[in-house]
Amino acid sequence: GENVEQHPSTLSVQEGDSAVIKCTYSDSASNYFPWYKQELGKRPQLIIDIRSNVGEKKDQRIAVTLNKTAKHFSLHITETQPEDSAVYFCAARVLGAQKLVFGQGTRLTINP
Amino acid sequence: GAVVSQHPSRVICKSGTSVKIECRSLDFQATTMFWYRQFPKKSLMLMATSNEGSKATYEQGVEKDKFLINHASLTLSTLTVTSAHPEDSSFYICSARDLEQGHQPQHFGDGTRLSIL
Repeated sequence: GENVEQHPSTLSVQEGDSAVIKCTYSDSASNYFPWYKQELGKRPQLIIDIRSNVGEKKDQRIAVTLNKTAKHFSLHITETQPEDSAVYFCAARVLGAQKLVFGQGTRLTINP
Repeated sequence: GAVVSQHPSRVICKSGTSVKIECRSLDFQATTMFWYRQFPKKSLMLMATSNEGSKATYEQGVEKDKFLINHASLTLSTLTVTSAHPEDSSFYICSARDLEQGHQPQHFGDGTRLSIL
């Protein structure tokens, strides 16, 4: 089955700098890749997603890139702000499957 | 749009009690709902996939008689933790997919923090 690896597990950056979180997946049939942000004790919230027919997608300070050949995708956050501090999860879904397979999560801390 | 409501948000009860958690899609129809368990500082562990009108599909290692799932309508799924024990204490989160959205993203409820004394 699909396996998703996420790195790093923790990331600390200065406010205003960029943050990059990377994920790799194992099943080449995966075609949907969402990113979720989870603040302490709260629900995971979808922040951006990308399908396999697109190489990059951007929404204001957040962007996701996908390399299907290498089977990895990354989340990029620019001009980081303290409110970006949270745990971020990547996920992948195989074409035709119902469930998402999640990465292990990255705890992002933005230092003022 | 795409709001998922989960209730209750917190439960504290004695060992041996059965606890029911509800998950509702408020403004969309969800043929499929998912139940996750999350340990502190850990990732989301899928317990089961709940399909409306049929039996849930449980992940390997999840006891179906322990975690009863019912998905009787397109907007409601329930998870019942039967005869709960302290090791069942955890954060349980449901999610649902909005069938009307083309790329069918998955939206999460607020979660239920279950504490068994």
